[in-house]
Amino acid sequence: SQKIEQNSEALNIQEGKTATLTCNYTNYSPAYLQWYRQDPGRGPVFLLLIRENEKEKRKERLKVTFDTTLKQSLFHITASQPADSATYLCALDMGSNYQLIWGAGTKLIIKP
Amino acid sequence: DGGITQSPKYLFRKEGQNVTLSCEQNLNHDAMYWYRQDPGQGLRLIYYSQIVNDFQKGDIAEGYSVSREKKESFPLTVTSAQKNPTAFYLCASRRTGGDTEAFFGQGTRLTVV
Repeated sequence: SQKIEQNSEALNIQEGKTATLTCNYTNYSPAYLQWYRQDPGRGPVFLLLIRENEKEKRKERLKVTFDTTLKQSLFHITASQPADSATYLCALDMGSNYQLIWGAGTKLIIKP
Repeated sequence: DGGITQSPKYLFRKEGQNVTLSCEQNLNHDAMYWYRQDPGQGLRLIYYSQIVNDFQKGDIAEGYSVSREKKESFPLTVTSAQKNPTAFYLCASRRTGGDTEAFFGQGTRLTVV
């Protein structure tokens, strides 16, 4: 079955630097890969979606890459701010049954 | 404003009781989902529904039940058969057709007392 790995340890980054989070998966490449932000005690909020035929997607300070050869997606936040501190989840959409397969998330801490 | 609403935000259950968590959406989405989230773990799928009057078990359906009588509503009942129900429960909805994001409610934190 498809498995997803995200760094289980918290990532500490100095304000102003670029934060890079990793999402690795096994087996088949998904049709789409999505990134979400989750704050404590709240539901995840969608950030970006990238298709399997896209290498890179950008939205303001956010950038997502998708490498189907490495079976990996990278999520970058440039010019990071303390308000970016949250848990970031990746989700695979295999394109069937409308289900998403979720990673456990990586907690990002931006220090002032 | 369009969105998805879960209630209550906090719920306490006594041993042996059934409790029902509410999930309502006005986004006109066909697909709705229930997930359970435990500390340090990803979202685990309990049940999902792609259309009214139809739903499928997810990975951890034992001890839970759902109904989908209306497009807008997808309530989850946590039965007494669920041995470890204390968790954070999230409801989500999506348009069908792929290439779509999920919209989540605020979550319900259930605690067994």
